[in-house]
Amino acid sequence: KQEVTQIPAALSVPEGENLVLNCSFTDSAIYNLQWFRQDPGKGLTSLLLIQSSQREQTSGRLNASLDKSSGRSTLYIAASQPGDSATYLCAVLISSGSARQLTFGSGTQLTVLP
Amino acid sequence: DGGITQSPKYLFRKEGQNVTLSCEQNLNHDAMYWYRQDPGQGLRLIYYSQIVNDFQKGDIAEGYSVSREKKESFPLTVTSAQKNPTAFYLCASSPMRTVGWYGYTFGSGTRLTVV
Repeated sequence: KQEVTQIPAALSVPEGENLVLNCSFTDSAIYNLQWFRQDPGKGLTSLLLIQSSQREQTSGRLNASLDKSSGRSTLYIAASQPGDSATYLCAVLISSGSARQLTFGSGTQLTVLP
Repeated sequence: DGGITQSPKYLFRKEGQNVTLSCEQNLNHDAMYWYRQDPGQGLRLIYYSQIVNDFQKGDIAEGYSVSREKKESFPLTVTSAQKNPTAFYLCASSPMRTVGWYGYTFGSGTRLTVV
């Protein structure tokens, strides 16, 4: 069964720092990997989606990489800001019988200190 | 604007009571999903539906029921058989034919509390 792990569970950094969030998955047979942001008590906002055939995606200060063979993805946040404080979740899309399902990690709670 | 609407935002359930959470989407997505989120944990799949009048159990379906009578709507009922229903519930949708190329869209969630 696919398992997704995110390390660290929590991270606190001063404003302006560049940082990396890690995601690992046990089965490399994925369709895509998606990074989400979740603010407290809110739903999920999609940040970046990387297809299994791609190695990275960029959006503004965010860059996500994917190494399918080693089962790893990283989310790089440049020049962090207090507004980046949130929980970041990664999820992989896999086959399950005739359907495709998202399997989530438990998230990294990021705090950017002003 | 297209999106997913979940209601209510907060819901309180008494012991032994069934409650229904609403999820509506106007994205013309074929597939819809219900997830449960507990504090400090990732999302776990309860039920999903790929087409009207059809749905499948996810990893934690016991104590829950769903229906899919319309493409736009996928309500979730938390029954009295669910012994620990207090959690944050999230609904999502995705296109089916190209789901590998497009991501999921999530609603803003319903927080259910047993009183």
